[in-house]
Amino acid sequence: RKEVEQDPGPFNVPEGATVAFNCTYSNSASQSFFWYRQDCRKEPKLLMSVYSSGNEDGRFTAQLNRASQYISLLIRDSKLSDSATYLCVVNLNSGYSTLTFGKGTMLLVSP
Amino acid sequence: DAGITQSPRHKVTETGTPVTLRCHQTENHRYMYWYRQDPGHGLRLIHYSYGVKDTDKGEVSDGYSVSRSKTEDFLLTLESATSSQTSVYFCAISESSGFGDYTFGSGTRLTVV
Repeated sequence: RKEVEQDPGPFNVPEGATVAFNCTYSNSASQSFFWYRQDCRKEPKLLMSVYSSGNEDGRFTAQLNRASQYISLLIRDSKLSDSATYLCVVNLNSGYSTLTFGKGTMLLVSP
Repeated sequence: DAGITQSPRHKVTETGTPVTLRCHQTENHRYMYWYRQDPGHGLRLIHYSYGVKDTDKGEVSDGYSVSRSKTEDFLLTLESATSSQTSVYFCAISESSGFGDYTFGSGTRLTVV
């Protein structure tokens, strides 16, 4: 099983659509969880942290299901500017004590 | 507002030559990281540092070495560049290891011919 796994996409959606990304991780002892955004040929940037109780930031909602080792990101009312690759990131707590990045899910929002 | 800069931004080098990439931060963060990003693989950790002169290997460390003689600088050296090391290299910094978010540099595009 890959350590942090995401659907690579691309997800093609029209403006205004709601889109959800899922991510699974391998270690039940994992601790910190994040979603990063990466624009084409740019560096990754933190989008939001993911808390056990779930959290929301404007149009973005992140949820964590520890029992299923699953993280999700929901984007409502998609904008053209949301087009990017979304990276699921986990502290797997498995040796390095560093963050492990999923390969990312590409989102393309069209007019 | 770049608290982290990488140099060079682009480099083309020949197989077998040594190459050093530099990461410089002005945030005084303890932790620094080098990742490479390749299509189909995502970001993979090469080496990281948890303090001056304190470094450790990541998952793809073969062929790479690092040094950190000052808090603000973290150098990545490809001892003898190979074509398989053609990649985009990102440096990142964080205040805590694995519990806080990372801030990335703009990346170095390295081509080994």
